[in-house]
Amino acid sequence: AQKITQTQPGMFVQEKEAVTLDCTYDTSDPSYGLFWYKQPSSGEMIFLIYQGSYDQQNATEGRYSLNFQKARKSANLVISASQLGDSAMYFCAMRVRGGSNYKLTFGKGTLLTVNP
Amino acid sequence: NAGVMQNPRHLVRRRGQEARLRCSPMKGHSHVYWYRQLPEEGLKFMVYLQKENIIDESGMPKERFSAEFPKEGPSILRIQQVVRGDSAAYFCASSPEFGGLMNTEAFFGQGTRLTVV
Repeated sequence: AQKITQTQPGMFVQEKEAVTLDCTYDTSDPSYGLFWYKQPSSGEMIFLIYQGSYDQQNATEGRYSLNFQKARKSANLVISASQLGDSAMYFCAMRVRGGSNYKLTFGKGTLLTVNP
Repeated sequence: NAGVMQNPRHLVRRRGQEARLRCSPMKGHSHVYWYRQLPEEGLKFMVYLQKENIIDESGMPKERFSAEFPKEGPSILRIQQVVRGDSAAYFCASSPEFGGLMNTEAFFGQGTRLTVV
């Protein structure tokens, strides 16, 4: 079974600073994908970034980057130059190739608050 | 992603009533996935449907919940005789084909927030 662990229930960051949101995962499948989503107070799930287990380089999308450390089974999200609009819940999720590879397994999320 | 449309956005039902949640997938997509988000939790898989077929309903509660994706029209998640514990956000996602790892993006609709009073 797959498992995603997000150990930070809440994080605070000053506007314009960088912040790292932690995510560790557990799977025995060597082929998998990792996703990060943002959920603002309005409730929608916004896809941010994807990392494949065989990708050689860390994924980046604008101010978002994924610090992928395969040996440690971690996939931390780094947000650079935080903005007030970044305040939201952030979820890490995983999908594996074997078995039911259409299912996303989610962590419990981290609530990020950006202070002015 | 705005391409997956869910309605209603908010739904209030009294205990014992029925709730119907609708999901229209992105254009050209024939696969639909429903997830539930309980308060303070991440999303949990409920069911995977293709047109006129239920592929995997392993995440669905055994009673009162059902889902369909007819040949024409949206996918429907139906909850009969709702109870307070059904209060949650229900999200739908869609894909054009079997969602393997080559599907590097997974877009959700805006969700339906069900409140049972």
